[in-house]
Amino acid sequence: DAGVIQSPRHEVTEMGQEVTLRCKPISGHDYLFWYRQTMMRGLELLIYFNNNVPIDDSGMPEDRFSAKMPNASFSTLKIQPSEPRDSAVYFCASSFAQRGGHEQFFGPGTRLTVL
Amino acid sequence: AQSVTQLDSQVPVFEEAPVELRCNYSSSVSVYLFWYVQYPNQGLQLLLKYLSGSTLVKGINGFEAEFNKSQTSFHLRKPSVHISDTAEYFCAVRGDGGYNKLIFGAGTRLAVHP
Repeated sequence: DAGVIQSPRHEVTEMGQEVTLRCKPISGHDYLFWYRQTMMRGLELLIYFNNNVPIDDSGMPEDRFSAKMPNASFSTLKIQPSEPRDSAVYFCASSFAQRGGHEQFFGPGTRLTVL
Repeated sequence: AQSVTQLDSQVPVFEEAPVELRCNYSSSVSVYLFWYVQYPNQGLQLLLKYLSGSTLVKGINGFEAEFNKSQTSFHLRKPSVHISDTAEYFCAVRGDGGYNKLIFGAGTRLAVHP
């Protein structure tokens, strides 16, 4: 398996622009998580899905952030409009609910820079 | 509610010396515990996990951790570190609610010096 795939790996954009981050989870996994990592705040859980349904979006910082999972093999995290304080590394992770599960497999991340 | 405290933000150590990274947790549900490692410019990868059974858990790269229920701890150890072990290490506990959510600690940066 190729693991969790994220694109793009790096994104540089200007304040006010729309940014879309993409994630392909591991085939067969039924959970998908979006995290944000910064030096100041560490690793933050933004939102997670189970069977394509959002379960908890309490970590989404504000209405400028939205996430979708239209099918089991694809998810997007969108920021509109983007601001410099959104600069961070965004990780996607997936897992499979089974007895003894809960292990999350992380993608390589997208490094976002908002100028 | 579940929480994780990593007691050291940074741990400097010389190559070939032993190391212990400390983690304390609180949990109101069955305890599942994890250690993840993040190398520079990479995602997190699983080092080891405790779900049940033996309290001493062995993971990849020579790391091991011991689950101590009475002290609510899950410290990570390695008897002899290498330069390549320089990374950030995260302790995590299963969240409540019956879903596959993990609660992560703030991380410990391990710096191995020659």
